[in-house]
Amino acid sequence: EPEVTQTPSHQVTQMGQEVILRCVPISNHLYFYWYRQILGQKVEFLVSFYNNEISEKSEIFDDQFSVERPDGSNFTLKIRSTKLEDSAMYFCASSEEAGGDQKYFGPGTRLTVT
Amino acid sequence: QKEVEQNSGPLSVPEGAIASLNCTYSDRGSQSFFWYRQYSGKSPELIMFIYSNGDKEDGRFTAQLNKASQYVSLLIRDSQPSDSATYLCAVDSPYGQNFVFGPGTRLSVLP
Repeated sequence: EPEVTQTPSHQVTQMGQEVILRCVPISNHLYFYWYRQILGQKVEFLVSFYNNEISEKSEIFDDQFSVERPDGSNFTLKIRSTKLEDSAMYFCASSEEAGGDQKYFGPGTRLTVT
Repeated sequence: QKEVEQNSGPLSVPEGAIASLNCTYSDRGSQSFFWYRQYSGKSPELIMFIYSNGDKEDGRFTAQLNKASQYVSLLIRDSQPSDSATYLCAVDSPYGQNFVFGPGTRLSVLP
């Protein structure tokens, strides 16, 4: 069964450093998303991406964040200058269609900022 | 502000019983409703979705939707210890592409 994959599974970085989180969405899906979940809190939407551009972003997704689809399979989230409060699980998701279509989540990357 | 509310739990049920999980949402324009299961430290796993008022059954799971009351529920029949997890209700945003997640209900099925 096709699945979303993410690397790395765990990333430790120092405050102020840049990190890139990588995702390979399900191959026939056209819509890609990043969500995050701070420990003990709810899953929060960051950004959606379609046709090589951001289609929607939340208030959390400020100038320190960027997304890119550098090739036909990868989808990346870059955090330019990490802060302690960026420590969270970051989940990539994809869906075949927009809006209310079923979203399938990857296993997540645990980001720890020290 | 779109809100999705769930009882945080924990909800404890004995093995073999029916577990009932509830969710309310604030945006009347929402059309799609999802239940995800999340084990500790893992990602959300889609278990059910429902778009129309009424009941939808899939194996031991039944999702119920009442748009007039802005209420969606999940019933788990013949609960098993392996069902012990946090259950997340997710609701689509009618004006965008994202989901709004509730805080989740922690279910504990006791052997």
